[in-house]
Amino acid sequence: DVKVTQSSRYLVKRTGEKVFLECVQDMDHENMFWYRQDPGLGLRLIYFSYDVKMKEKGDIPEGYSVSREKKERFSLILESASTNQTSMYLCASSPVPGQGTRAEAFFGQGTRLTVV
Amino acid sequence: LAKTTQPISMDSYEGQEVNITCSHNNIATNDYITWYQQFPSQGPRFIIQGYKTKVTNEVASLFIPADRKSSTLSLPRVSLSDTAVYYCLVGPWGGYNKLIFGAGTRLAVHP
Repeated sequence: DVKVTQSSRYLVKRTGEKVFLECVQDMDHENMFWYRQDPGLGLRLIYFSYDVKMKEKGDIPEGYSVSREKKERFSLILESASTNQTSMYLCASSPVPGQGTRAEAFFGQGTRLTVV
Repeated sequence: LAKTTQPISMDSYEGQEVNITCSHNNIATNDYITWYQQFPSQGPRFIIQGYKTKVTNEVASLFIPADRKSSTLSLPRVSLSDTAVYYCLVGPWGGYNKLIFGAGTRLAVHP
């Protein structure tokens, strides 16, 4: 089974702290994603990475950065956490579709971050 | 990326067939259509994917008309456990696909 593992299920941080959310996938997928989900707003893409050290901004990158030094690991960094970054954060990975491989994204269990 | 429009919410009853339509008027030639399902406190999971005509799997069917400007996810004989949010995504076949989710359709199945 494909596994996408996020380092924490619940996290409480203080305003101004630097926060690291880690995501690891075990299926050698090229693409990895970070989303945040807030009630009534669906999933909003923060950052997308299509290869090691390659990244693209999503719809809401402000206040976030990412790092992908190895193919299996994609980290989301909140440079200086603020209360409006309290949210559910979801990581996902997907392969490049090809012969016998569909373009299916697999999600982690999510990290519920509270910034106080 | 093609923008998608879905109803915000739908209600149904156990045993009924549910059809959720997604509009994607500016779909590109190399775009395919994917539907995901999300339960509370979980990440979305893949349901079905297609390019044109009809696709069926053990969970759902996907109907895509010839002009591909819309698609319909059909869930046969829903049960209470089908209560979830359903997302329609449109994106290019290939590596560079940002997977943009909209707000989705919240389906409530009643006894």
